[in-house]
Amino acid sequence: EAEVAQSPRYKITEKSQAVAFWCDPISGHATLYWYRQILGQGPELLVQFQDESVVDDSQLPKDRFSAERLKGVDSTLKIQPAELGDSAMYLCATTAPGGTSGGGEQFFGPGTRLTVL
Amino acid sequence: GEDVEQSLFLSVREGDSSVINCTYTDSSSTYLYWYKQEPGAGLQLLTYIFSNMDMKQDQRLTVLLNKKDKHLSLRIADTQTGDSAIYFCAAGGGYNKLIFGAGTRLAVHP
Repeated sequence: EAEVAQSPRYKITEKSQAVAFWCDPISGHATLYWYRQILGQGPELLVQFQDESVVDDSQLPKDRFSAERLKGVDSTLKIQPAELGDSAMYLCATTAPGGTSGGGEQFFGPGTRLTVL
Repeated sequence: GEDVEQSLFLSVREGDSSVINCTYTDSSSTYLYWYKQEPGAGLQLLTYIFSNMDMKQDQRLTVLLNKKDKHLSLRIADTQTGDSAIYFCAAGGGYNKLIFGAGTRLAVHP
């Protein structure tokens, strides 16, 4: 069964360093989301892409976070510089056109757990 | 904006039924979802219900939706130790962002 792939699975970095996360969606999934999940909370959307275009980045801290999906397939999320408060799980999710019965279900990758020291 | 709330913890005995509750604020949410998250893993979609439905059953899972009260519940029949996880309710759908609750930790004991 096709899955959303993310790497790395774990990342430890020092504050002020740059980090990058990668997401490879399920083939054919045009909509891609990056969520941040702080320990003990539910995921919160950072950015949403439709193909290569940003649809919603209203919750993305643009002074330090950037996201791209140049060819409308895989995507990269970058943080520069990282801060202690960025420690969290970063989840990528994708949606198929039409979904199942039009549900537009989001399929999640395993996530990248970031620890900032 | 949309807000989704869940109770934080539920403990049940193996073999009993579990009922996890959720309330949401935005009546225009098209779909309501239940996701399961095991330790260190991503989110697994369990089931979803369209906002014009009252109930959906899928094997051991039953979802009930009270649209008037904006209340959603997930019932797991014959709960097993493998069901121990965090369960997230989410509202949204139709390619819009999902708003998640904080999650309900389900503990299943013998």
